[in-house]
Amino acid sequence: AQSVTQPDIHITVSEGASLELRCNYSYGATPYLFWYVQSPGQGLQLLLKYFSGDTLVQGIKGFEAEFKRSQSSFNLRKPSVHWSDAAEYFCAVGAQGFQKLVFGTGTRLLVSP
Amino acid sequence: NAGVTQTPKFQVLKTGQSMTLQCAQDMNHEYMSWYRQDPGMGLRLIHYSVGAGITDQGEVPNGYNVSRSTTEDFPLRLLSAAPSQTSVYFCASSSGQGLGYTFGSGTRLTVV
Repeated sequence: AQSVTQPDIHITVSEGASLELRCNYSYGATPYLFWYVQSPGQGLQLLLKYFSGDTLVQGIKGFEAEFKRSQSSFNLRKPSVHWSDAAEYFCAVGAQGFQKLVFGTGTRLLVSP
Repeated sequence: NAGVTQTPKFQVLKTGQSMTLQCAQDMNHEYMSWYRQDPGMGLRLIHYSVGAGITDQGEVPNGYNVSRSTTEDFPLRLLSAAPSQTSVYFCASSSGQGLGYTFGSGTRLTVV
């Protein structure tokens, strides 16, 4: 069965510092991988996705993620965090021909001044 | 373009009551899903649909029912509400071409 692990429940980063959120997946075939962001009281917004090609993908709001098949990872990065990036971030894997998504438990990002 | 619209935004039910959460999308997406979000558990799939007339169970389907009579609508029915169904419910849709799901803004349900 497909699964996603986000090992960090909370992360605190200083404004202007770099960010890396970890995501490990388990899936038997080539995965579709996604990162979503959720601001408090809001729905989920797609940041970026990977399903083939270049393993470094660029998304919105200055985020990027790198797919590493050998490590079953899809970590999210941003070179300089802004206070508005404080939110909860979810990694997801597309299963069964992309008919459904399996989500990780999320990482809450706190940004300190 | 409204995207994915969920109604109501908030609802309080008594144990044993039934209700329907509405979800509509105007993007002509074939794929639609219902998720519930609980603290520390991420989003868990309840039911999903790959087109009108076709539905299937997800990870946590018990106590919920769905139907898909049109491409646009995918209502979720709670048959007999229980406190364990207190959660935030999200509906999502996708064209199914690796573009990702578009989510609604959610329904916060409390069962007392």
